[in-house]
Amino acid sequence: EVQLVESGGGLVQPGGSLRLSCAASGFTFSSYWMSWVRQAPGKGLEWVANIKQDGSDKYYVDSVKGRFTISRDNAKNSLYLQMNSLRAEDTAMYYCARVFWGVRWFDPWGQGTLVTVSS
Amino acid sequence: NFMLTQPHSVSESPGKTVTISCTGSSGSIASNYVQWYQQRPGSAPTTVIYEDNQRPSGVPARFSGSIDSSSNSASLTISGLKTEDEADYYCQSYDGSNHWVFGGGTKLTVL
Repeated sequence: EVQLVESGGGLVQPGGSLRLSCAASGFTFSSYWMSWVRQAPGKGLEWVANIKQDGSDKYYVDSVKGRFTISRDNAKNSLYLQMNSLRAEDTAMYYCARVFWGVRWFDPWGQGTLVTVSS
Repeated sequence: NFMLTQPHSVSESPGKTVTISCTGSSGSIASNYVQWYQQRPGSAPTTVIYEDNQRPSGVPARFSGSIDSSSNSASLTISGLKTEDEADYYCQSYDGSNHWVFGGGTKLTVL
């Protein structure tokens, strides 16, 4: 069974940092692009970042460029999101998702980890 | 920037058919595949349609997707509505410039 399990969320002050992790199992992790998608409380879905199979290509939504870094460790079947200079508007549930690149399709999604940026 | 626009909410009675639209702001929505996700309260999104009109295994045939190039829109149609279909539905596509886009979501009420 394909499974994605996020961790690392929590309460952080504005300007602070947090590192999210996503543990993958049930598929060949190194063969897939991976993504982070977020959802602010009561709001819609927003794509955050993508990373290629070998980590050589990364893409970000404009609002997080220069502050967030997506990375992966294929030996550990893990995806990461390093979030720096956090702002109140970064408060959201963060989901990791496997990507079917040819279709540009996210499936499946993890259960999410909640990040709250507040003083 | 490319955007996808969905109605904020739709409602229909059990057993009826409902269609949710997703309109592209520019270019041709047919240029890139459209996916549809269902999200129930407190849960992660799951796919109900991918590649414009394909259903993942386990998704009932009551769910169907289509593209209308003349209106630059995609549609999700759910027939034989059940109370369990009540959820938020999001369309998603790609802008061709390494940015991925979601519609704002549509709340489906089955009453």
